[in-house]
Amino acid sequence: QVQLQESGPGLVKPSETLSLTCTVSGGSVSSGSYYWSWIRQPPGKGLEWIGYIYYSGSTNYNPSLKSRVTISVDTSKNQFSLKLSSVTAADTAVYYCARVIVVAAPFFDYWGQGTLVTVSS
Amino acid sequence: SYELTQPPSVSVSPGQTARITCSGDALPKQYAYWYQQKPGQAPVLVIYKDSERPSGIPERFSGSSSGTTVTLTISGVQAEDEADYYCQSADSSGTSVVFGGGTKLTVL
Repeated sequence: QVQLQESGPGLVKPSETLSLTCTVSGGSVSSGSYYWSWIRQPPGKGLEWIGYIYYSGSTNYNPSLKSRVTISVDTSKNQFSLKLSSVTAADTAVYYCARVIVVAAPFFDYWGQGTLVTVSS
Repeated sequence: SYELTQPPSVSVSPGQTARITCSGDALPKQYAYWYQQKPGQAPVLVIYKDSERPSGIPERFSGSSSGTTVTLTISGVQAEDEADYYCQSADSSGTSVVFGGGTKLTVL
């Protein structure tokens, strides 16, 4: 059973960079069958896809966030990470990491429990 | 940017059938997926590839597709099915993932 666990600061100041890590257990980020993704959900609102990465480092980002997002993978630690720069209050959300199956339209079969990140001074 | 449109809310009585729709121009070309999200929990995949059900998901959950609309049907709704439901697909190129706005299912 694959498990994903998000970790990182719960509070980030405006204009700074949000950094989160997802640790995968019960599976390998180096598996060629899957991609690995970040998704967020502002309080009381819907889901927003941020981007995904392949073990090779190939990425695909949401065009609306692309200029501020970097997703990276560390196969030695079985982790992947998210960096979101120049954050504002609008970036306050629960951030989820998830495993992606890419078959025509990509979809998410395993999710982490999510971590709340608040942007505030 | 591409959008998927869902009704904000659907209400049904226990034992009845709930139908939640999701509309998008690229749906004839791209598969749709459905997720159930209960308060304080991560989403759970309940339908993939328009109509396939993952193992462990009750048979009362089913999906269908017709043109630019996909539908999640929950037959014999139970109190435990009260949740938010999100459809998800991709744009016509298949590279950009998109979620619908979500539908709150209330079991009366």
